[in-house]
Amino acid sequence: AQKITQTQPGMFVQEKEAVTLDCTYDTSDPSYGLFWYKQPSSGEMIFLIYQGSYDQQNATEGRYSLNFQKARKSANLVISASQLGDSAMYFCAMREGTGGGADGLTFGKGTHLIIQP
Amino acid sequence: DAEITQSPRHKITETGRQVTLACHQTWNHNNMFWYRQDLGHGLRLIHYSYGVQDTNKGEVSDGYSVSRSNTEDLPLTLESAASSQTSVYFCASSEGDEQFFGPGTRLTVL
Repeated sequence: AQKITQTQPGMFVQEKEAVTLDCTYDTSDPSYGLFWYKQPSSGEMIFLIYQGSYDQQNATEGRYSLNFQKARKSANLVISASQLGDSAMYFCAMREGTGGGADGLTFGKGTHLIIQP
Repeated sequence: DAEITQSPRHKITETGRQVTLACHQTWNHNNMFWYRQDLGHGLRLIHYSYGVQDTNKGEVSDGYSVSRSNTEDLPLTLESAASSQTSVYFCASSEGDEQFFGPGTRLTVL
């Protein structure tokens, strides 16, 4: 079974609209971390946001927020007021365990987001 | 500024040749990782290291090896390159939760 599932291979959104990118995960480990990365056409991996499994509040970073629903094993990324520069591939990833950052990440297959003017 | 670099950025090689991809970070992070990215698969973990002289296999380690002789470097070696190893390779390092990625190396095996 896939550990990270991103069900939206591609999305088209109008500029200035809010965007929700879906991510569900599967783990039996009580301690884990969830990440979102952005990969523009230039290819680099850009860290966006992190949510720990014990964090009580949803993580926010500027226009990015993570809608963490632990019981549903869901960690959706919300981008408010989308911009043309948000067009990119977006990857959800998970770290299992409490390795303090020493564990590799498991990535989903990504969502290709295109913002239209 | 601290950074993580990879070299070469692009490489074309032939089947059966040994290839080494370099990864160098100046954050003094103990944890380093190698991933490969292929269409339809996202990124997959090849090898990782918790520190000097420590290396561990990831999800797709067959045909790859790493060595860690210092904190800054984790070279990835393809012992005998195969066409199935044509991919984009990313190196990353971390000390806390966030992993910092290098710019990637595009490897083509003909």
